[in-house]
Amino acid sequence: NAGVMQNPRHLVRRRGQEARLRCSPVKGHSHVYWYRQLPEEGLKFMVYLQKENIIDESGMPKERFSAEFPKEGPSILRIQQVVRGDSAAYFCASSPRGAQNIQYFGAGTRLSVL
Amino acid sequence: AQRVTQPEKLLSVFKGAPVELKCNYSYSGSPELFWYVQYSRQRLQLLLRHISRESIKGFTADLNKGETSFHLKKPFAQEEDSAMYYCALSILTGGGNKLTFGTGTQLKVEL
Repeated sequence: NAGVMQNPRHLVRRRGQEARLRCSPVKGHSHVYWYRQLPEEGLKFMVYLQKENIIDESGMPKERFSAEFPKEGPSILRIQQVVRGDSAAYFCASSPRGAQNIQYFGAGTRLSVL
Repeated sequence: AQRVTQPEKLLSVFKGAPVELKCNYSYSGSPELFWYVQYSRQRLQLLLRHISRESIKGFTADLNKGETSFHLKKPFAQEEDSAMYYCALSILTGGGNKLTFGTGTQLKVEL
C-alpha cells in the first residue's frame, strides 16, 4: 500500500498558465480532501470530495480553482491562470468510509509561480 | 468560526527534559482534536486523537474544555522527537470531516 500519492512533487508555472495537481488516494478510500499551505501558515481546508461528487468546497477560491474526483482515476485540483499568490504547498488527504475523521496525507505538491 | 492557535513557532528543549506543545481552540460545537507530526522529509502523519486517550511515542494530550486547550506533552524528550507538530480541529461536513490546523510548532531537541 503506497499511501496517498501526489504528483508532481514540484510544479513551476508562469503567471497565466494552468496548474494541474493530481492525487491518488489510498486504495479503497472514497473520501479525498485538498488543503493549501501558504508560507508561515498552517494547512487550510479547500475542498472535500467523494467519487464524482463535491461535498464541501467552502475553502475554495471562487474563481480559477476547481476540483474533481472522477469514478476512475485520481482526484485533480486545477488552477487556471495562476498568479504569484497561488504559490504554496498543496496537500491531499484521503480517508476510508466509516472512519472519515482519520485522514492520511500525501507528500504534497509545491507550486511555484514565476 | 473555528480556530486553532499554536502560540510557539519554535520550541527548543534538551534531551531528557519535559516537553509541552501548546494548542488552544475556539469552536462552538463539540470538538474533536488531533495532533499531527511531520518529521524531516516525511509526510504529515497522525500522532494522536483526543478520543483515543492513548499515548503514542510517549506523547499524551488531554482535552480541557474549560480552558479550550489540547496541549501535547511528553515527560522526557528524545532526539527523534524533533519535528514539526500541528494541532488540528475536526469539523463534520456532509459525511466527512474537514480539519482546521494551527500554524505548527517546530520542536527541536538538543543533545
